[in-house]
Amino acid sequence: SQQGEEDPQALSIQEGENATMNCSYKTSINNLQWYRQNSGRGLVHLILIRSNEREKHSGRLRVTLDTSKKSSSLLITASRAADTASYFCATISNFGNEKLTFGTGTRLTIIP
Amino acid sequence: DTGVSQDPRHKITKRGQNVTFRCDPISEHNRLYWYRQTLGQGPEFLTYFQNEAQLEKSRLLSDRFSAERPKGSFSTLEIQRTEQGDSAMYLCASSLATGNQETQYFGPGTRLLVL
Repeated sequence: SQQGEEDPQALSIQEGENATMNCSYKTSINNLQWYRQNSGRGLVHLILIRSNEREKHSGRLRVTLDTSKKSSSLLITASRAADTASYFCATISNFGNEKLTFGTGTRLTIIP
Repeated sequence: DTGVSQDPRHKITKRGQNVTFRCDPISEHNRLYWYRQTLGQGPEFLTYFQNEAQLEKSRLLSDRFSAERPKGSFSTLEIQRTEQGDSAMYLCASSLATGNQETQYFGPGTRLLVL
């Protein structure tokens, strides 16, 4: 089953603008990860944030985590056409298993 | 290419036929995962191996599904008596278990269509 919801389900912005996607999850987690998926292809790992971290940066990506609200956000700054893809958050729980539980994804379209 | 590879990339089969997919993980990775993704949804966990041991199976993995990793390297996922509901993208991922926060690296997937 899916871990939770991502919001929005779809987002279209102009190239150069910032894109923000949100993710909510249901259970206690060990870490949360964001992945990108280009149409019909495999997933590319973007960033991992641990449950004891609140914010993390990687290049144009900024991730926040609020464990009290069971939510995370992914900010992509200065968007490019190549950022067009689906973005998924995925969690690893605190219950000793190593599987990723994915959200439903946000479809991001960057308009040149 | 030293990433995760999957074969075939696409498979079309008729209902009732058996299909087998192969996954070759990154060579030093000891964990291997199978996920299934249907259109418009996020991937869902099916099963995972640590070396050759299958450690967890999802309830999604019915008796028609079987996965093996005989030598702790490549893995196969077989679906017997395929049904139209099995149509999906089957994704394989691998990781190096150095604790419990390792990154999983995904292959390109095998897209299955059952007619």
